[in-house]
Amino acid sequence: RKEVEQDPGPFNVPEGATVAFNCTYSNSASQSFFWYRQDCRKEPKLLMSVYSSGNEDGRFTAQLNRASQYISLLIRDSKLSDSATYLCVVNGGSRGSTLGRLYFGRGTQLTVWP
Amino acid sequence: SQTIHQWPATLVQPVGSPLSLECTVEGTSNPNLYWYRQAAGRGLQLLFYSVGIGQISSEVPQNLSASRPQDRQFILSSKKLLLSDSGFYLCAWRKLGSGSTTDTQYFGPGTRLTVL
Repeated sequence: RKEVEQDPGPFNVPEGATVAFNCTYSNSASQSFFWYRQDCRKEPKLLMSVYSSGNEDGRFTAQLNRASQYISLLIRDSKLSDSATYLCVVNGGSRGSTLGRLYFGRGTQLTVWP
Repeated sequence: SQTIHQWPATLVQPVGSPLSLECTVEGTSNPNLYWYRQAAGRGLQLLFYSVGIGQISSEVPQNLSASRPQDRQFILSSKKLLLSDSGFYLCAWRKLGSGSTTDTQYFGPGTRLTVL
């Protein structure tokens, strides 16, 4: 079983739409959760960390369900510039956590069209 | 502020040739450093990580090697490239500390390697 699994997509949505991505992780000891964004042929960049209580950053809302080992990202009022691949990322928990080992999902591709 | 550099940005090499990719970090000391590879249409694969000078751990057996000759320098090498070594090579750093926010890794711009 993969450490992190995501909706493969692609998601194609019009500007202004709301879109949600889901992710599950296998290691119940994981403590840190992130969403990264990767533009075509570029490096991944941190979009936001995900906290237990859920958190919001402008049009982006991330939620964590530890019991179900499930993470989500909601994008409201989609912009053309939101087109990218979104990577769900989870740390290794007690296994090698002092080394900051992160596990990356394969990513979900989003295309926002005008 | 911290910055991470990688070079070259793009590289085309014949099968069997050697490889040397360099990564340097500025604005921080004693970072954890990581090498990843992202093959076309695939996820990020961790290749090596380092917690200090001369300390290298390998995640995947392969014909690649890594070295850390200085605190903020991380080098990825190969003596003989294979076709399967083609991919997008990313270096990342993480600052030391405790707490979930310090697990964040920051990536360099990457090197796109094509082996022909």
